[in-house]
Amino acid sequence: GESVGLHLPTLSVQEGDNSIINCAYSNSASDYFIWYKQESGKGPQFIIDIRSNMDKRQGQRVTVLLNKTVKHLSLQIAATQPGDSAVYFCAENMLGTGFQKLVFGTGTRLLVSP
Amino acid sequence: DGGITQSPKYLFRKEGQNVTLSCEQNLNHDAMYWYRQDPGQGLRLIYYSQIVNDFQKGDIAEGYSVSREKKESFPLTVTSAQKNPTAFYLCASTTITGSQQYFGPGTRLTVT
Repeated sequence: GESVGLHLPTLSVQEGDNSIINCAYSNSASDYFIWYKQESGKGPQFIIDIRSNMDKRQGQRVTVLLNKTVKHLSLQIAATQPGDSAVYFCAENMLGTGFQKLVFGTGTRLLVSP
Repeated sequence: DGGITQSPKYLFRKEGQNVTLSCEQNLNHDAMYWYRQDPGQGLRLIYYSQIVNDFQKGDIAEGYSVSREKKESFPLTVTSAQKNPTAFYLCASTTITGSQQYFGPGTRLTVT
């Protein structure tokens, strides 16, 4: 399959562990953030999003935390499964500009061992 | 079955040739985007279009061209002027007031 991000930071976990993937964003005016999952050779898939008026949002097995003070975003995956193995990207956007332009981080590779 | 399709999945070209990558969506989205992805880097915006017959350059537009003659289609041409065309190309779309962008499966272009 396609190899995306040959030199990405890598997080290795055991199946069943909780995973935490971190992201530092650059623009203090960004007010909307998204986490995407990208499997090898495929396009990114939406996981979860959060607006800047929140500091936490939960989905199914995933939680996103936003710390605007230090411009930090994290994705927590509970009970990590082998199918969670992928590259995870955060993206930031300034809403209300009349156009959505996402700025993507470089990504983190998550490897889940059975 | 709604979504974004890109074709072909793999494309091989000789240096000096122009090549056009297809992107079609049936989500009735107004805005469409082209990104380039290289190993170890985040997605970089090439071009985007908010409405039919209108498009704007992104951060790395040099050596690329686009058209938006129909709402559902946003083809990207990689010209011979693009110095490093080998990459994974991703198309995305969203509603004009939307939040998340929906991505296609990508086209891997190799130029030798």
